Amino acid sequence: QQQVKQSPQSLIVQKGGISIINCAYENTAFDYFPWYQQFPGKGPALLIAIRPDVSEKKEGRFTISFNKSAKQFSLHIMDSQPGDSATYFCAARPAGANNLFFGTGTRLTVIP
Amino acid sequence: DGGITQSPKYLFRKEGQNVTLSCEQNLNHDAMYWYRQDPGQGLRLIYYSQIVNDFQKGDIAEGYSVSREKKESFPLTVTSAQKNPTAFYLCASSSVPGHTEAFFGQGTRLTVV
Repeated sequence: QQQVKQSPQSLIVQKGGISIINCAYENTAFDYFPWYQQFPGKGPALLIAIRPDVSEKKEGRFTISFNKSAKQFSLHIMDSQPGDSATYFCAARPAGANNLFFGTGTRLTVIP
Repeated sequence: DGGITQSPKYLFRKEGQNVTLSCEQNLNHDAMYWYRQDPGQGLRLIYYSQIVNDFQKGDIAEGYSVSREKKESFPLTVTSAQKNPTAFYLCASSSVPGHTEAFFGQGTRLTVV
């Protein structure tokens, strides 16, 4: 059973557009929600993360929106660039635990 | 440079053979993890270790074994009992307690031939 559900599976965006990736969860024990970026043949790298006590976190062109009541969170990439083309994973970690539960990933392609 | 080193990058194994994937970190992290990545399935946890000489099974531990004799090393053995071992394997580490970020290695792509 997938603890974190991610959509869409793939996404194509024009350069300069906004990329939006969504994730949903059921386990209310989750208290940490990171997003990872992965380029082909490489390991994932932390992009941005949020805790449920805030509804939004912004770092440069990347923003996480968090809706605690709906148990949903999303990644917004503003002014998307071809260099952003990668696979993005959302994840969640239960309070007091160390392991992360990952979504199934979204392959983003930004076309010039 | 601090980081996580996985080796080899590519590994080929004949059916019926055991194979060991290496993972070394110099971040002084207490916790280490092994994930398996398959297309369309995200990352699934195989094993994790929070301290030397201790480790716990993750969601898909069957057919795998690990050891944690040193803080900096967490090798994964893919045994012949693993029915579908061809995958991309990722090692990660994080500080404990209260960690916020897991750092990943570059991965090992294992192919059974």
